[in-house]
Amino acid sequence: AQKVTQAQTEISVVEKEDVTLDCVYETRDTTYYLFWYKQPPSGELVFLIRRNSFDEQNEISGRYSWNFQKSTSSFNFTITASQVVDSAVYFCALSEATLDSNYQLIWGAGTKLIIKP
Amino acid sequence: DTEVTQTPKHLVMGMTNKKSLKCEQHMGHRAMYWYKQKAKKPPELMFVYSYEKLSINESVPSRFSPECPNSSLLNLHLHALQPEDSALYLCASSQWTGGTDTQYFGPGTRLTVL
Repeated sequence: AQKVTQAQTEISVVEKEDVTLDCVYETRDTTYYLFWYKQPPSGELVFLIRRNSFDEQNEISGRYSWNFQKSTSSFNFTITASQVVDSAVYFCALSEATLDSNYQLIWGAGTKLIIKP
Repeated sequence: DTEVTQTPKHLVMGMTNKKSLKCEQHMGHRAMYWYKQKAKKPPELMFVYSYEKLSINESVPSRFSPECPNSSLLNLHLHALQPEDSALYLCASSQWTGGTDTQYFGPGTRLTVL
């Protein structure tokens, strides 16, 4: 069965520290997609990244980086030199490229990230 | 430009009221979605429209009635809601349906049912 686990319910760090948010997934399929979304207190879900199962290259975008490891079924997200504006709930999500996926994203429970000034 | 707009931002309604939530996108996307999100939970899919036709209804009570007047607009009509329906309602769109395409979300409508 498909499942996404974000074991860290809440993380609190001081500004400028690096922080890694963990995401572990379960899927039966060889073709699937993984996503990260950010949800600040305003409520809007902001798309951060989409990665398919055949592309294991790590991704870097400014202070954000993602480490995709199929061997451990993980897709972790690191923020370098965190800033107060990074405070938000971060969701990891999985989608399988099959007809049975029923158009659904399988969401993790989310990790609340608090960056203290 | 990846923008989905939603109105109103906040809505308070009584259990006997009828109201509507509106969503609009101008990205040429052919799939649109309604989600419900309770506090401290991930979003739950309610409805999916593909090419203006309802393709998914996730066993949502009939007091929620979706409508897709055209490819850019999505409405959610509300009638006789219950207090437990209070939540953040999010609209999203993607270029195609299929779950694997990136969904872009609007800012949401915070609904309170008294």
